[in-house]
Amino acid sequence: DSGVTQTPKHLITATGQRVTLRCSPRSGDLSVYWYQQSLDQGLQFLIQYYNGEERAKGNILERFSAQQFPDLHSELNLSSLELGDSALYFCASSYEYSLSYNEQFFGPGTRLTVL
Amino acid sequence: AQTVTQSQPEMSVQEAETVTLSCTYDTSESNYYLFWYKQPPSRQMILVIRQEAYKQQNATENRFSVNFQKAAKSFSLKISDSQLGDTAMYFCAFTLTAGGTSYGKLTFGQGTILTVHP
Repeated sequence: DSGVTQTPKHLITATGQRVTLRCSPRSGDLSVYWYQQSLDQGLQFLIQYYNGEERAKGNILERFSAQQFPDLHSELNLSSLELGDSALYFCASSYEYSLSYNEQFFGPGTRLTVL
Repeated sequence: AQTVTQSQPEMSVQEAETVTLSCTYDTSESNYYLFWYKQPPSRQMILVIRQEAYKQQNATENRFSVNFQKAAKSFSLKISDSQLGDTAMYFCAFTLTAGGTSYGKLTFGQGTILTVHP
């Protein structure tokens, strides 16, 4: 158990819908990362938050957005869902991104299926 | 932009034998970290081993070791005495550091599915 929790574990929805994925980082971790793992794109970085602020953006679609709240949990919002958004979404956390090495601890992922 | 390439989609090995997974990367930066992650059928991402680019000595963690060739931009993983529990997808990953500051985001290769046969 990495200490990172993600809810829900599985999500099945229809095209055009909107969903919210939730991540709670390890206690004390300030940085949260979101990754998407799909058959087409592999495992790719979406976005990073540090202590409530967006720090880095990857290949995140405009239909997707994220935020990190004062209690440091993070939510990834996916809207106007398409079949191709079906994937495993990982959240990872680390203590302090500015140190020379920060191990990222991954949550168990949320499996999103868009029908 | 940094890229990571794993050219072996699938590998197999007999239990107790040794297997090497290949990874190459491309970057113009000189300060970075390289990692191997394991993803078993449970889908959990588990860090296996890491290597700092400024260290010439290859990292080792029990049965896992790397062959880091910085000039060739190559980073292979050797698994000795393979066990059934090593069956998993293995990802090579890269992250930048700069003057002690890690940019954090991980860039992953496509993954290699390793199957250990009894």
